[in-house]
Amino acid sequence: QVHLQESGPGLVKPSGALSLTCTVSGVSISSRHWWSWVRQSPGKGLEWIGEVYHSGSTTYNPSLKTRVSMSADKSKNQFSLKLSSVTAADTAVYYCARLRVIQANGYTGFDYWGQGTLVTVSS
Amino acid sequence: DIQMTQSPSTLSASVGDRVTITCRASQSISRWLAWYQQKPGKAPNLLIYEASTLESGVPSRFSGSGSGTEFALTISSLQPDDFATYYCQHYNSYPYTFGQGTKLDVK
Repeated sequence: QVHLQESGPGLVKPSGALSLTCTVSGVSISSRHWWSWVRQSPGKGLEWIGEVYHSGSTTYNPSLKTRVSMSADKSKNQFSLKLSSVTAADTAVYYCARLRVIQANGYTGFDYWGQGTLVTVSS
Repeated sequence: DIQMTQSPSTLSASVGDRVTITCRASQSISRWLAWYQQKPGKAPNLLIYEASTLESGVPSRFSGSGSGTEFALTISSLQPDDFATYYCQHYNSYPYTFGQGTKLDVK
């Protein structure tokens, strides 16, 4: 049974950095799937932040690219998100999710999600 | 970025009704579209991918159609558990984007 769980501080100060980790169980992150971060705020709805492959390859949303970094730790079966220079606009529920790959270049959308973690940016 | 526009934003219906939600992409995305159901306080749940392929375990009353820029999600006979918010999402190119959501509530 595949399970994803986000962890990290729920409160971050403005201009600081947001750091979250997603711990995956039931499947290896070294499998053929991609691992993403998605956030949801009342003002902007669902927003894809970016994705990481087990090799360390990443793709980021251009709207956040200058502030985002992601990494994968195969030994711990985890992947992580860091978002720098945060403002109140970054307050959201952050989800980690799996983009399933079913065949060569065949994707299906996000089939497994974490429960989400609320991150508030406030002093 | 490809913009995804859903309509309506809110839909009021009754148990047993047939309902359709539409999603329009600002440019062609072939069939690289997914639909999700989200309930309050929960993560989205994948219903359909590749525009019309039903995810395993999803009831057959859900169906998807379309290609290019016009897509639809249909629920053939609404059940009490179906009242939720529905999102479309493309994965044709980066960045992946979502529609703004359609809230399905009880009439």
